[in-house]
Amino acid sequence: AQKITQTQPGMFVQEKEAVTLDCTYDTSDPSYGLFWYKQPSSGEMIFLIYQGSYDQQNATEGRYSLNFQKARKSANLVISASQLGDSAMYFCAMRPYSGTYKYIFGTGTRLKVLA
Amino acid sequence: EPEVTQTPSHQVTQMGQEVILRCVPISNHLYFYWYRQILGQKVEFLVSFYNNEISEKSEIFDDQFSVERPDGSNFTLKIRSTKLEDSAMYFCASTLGGTPVAGELFFGEGSRLTVL
Repeated sequence: AQKITQTQPGMFVQEKEAVTLDCTYDTSDPSYGLFWYKQPSSGEMIFLIYQGSYDQQNATEGRYSLNFQKARKSANLVISASQLGDSAMYFCAMRPYSGTYKYIFGTGTRLKVLA
Repeated sequence: EPEVTQTPSHQVTQMGQEVILRCVPISNHLYFYWYRQILGQKVEFLVSFYNNEISEKSEIFDDQFSVERPDGSNFTLKIRSTKLEDSAMYFCASTLGGTPVAGELFFGEGSRLTVL
């Protein structure tokens, strides 16, 4: 079964520190994409970062990086130098590339950045 | 920057009434989706749509739900007879599609449905 697991319902981090949000996935498809989205309190879904299953290097986008460990089936999001505006819900998602067009989302992690 | 637009942003309806949620996906995108989120919880897949037909649907997407692309731009979700448990944020999304790089989902800002 295709599944995304986010085991941290809530996290706290001090401003300017780094934080890692965990994501593990399960798929039998050899080719897939992994995504992270941010949902602030205003409700919109904001795309942060993408990692392809065949990408050799970990993806980075500004302060966001994705720690991709294929053998462990994990795709953790690392936010460096946290800012107050990073306080939000974060969703990990996966799309297998065969047999489905569906993007599968985890249950999310609520991050609170403390001043 | 192109964006997915949704209307209405908020709709309040009585149980049993029909509701239509509208979406304009990004113009060159080929795959369209509806997702549902209840009270800021999990983002649940409802349906995907490609080449003018449903490509996949979840068990939530029962006979009370339908989707349509009536013209070249709009993509609608209809709930025929709303129930209390249909109260949620409904997100429309689209993607250029294709493999191996499917690309990210582009989400609209959502339509909040409240069923009384």
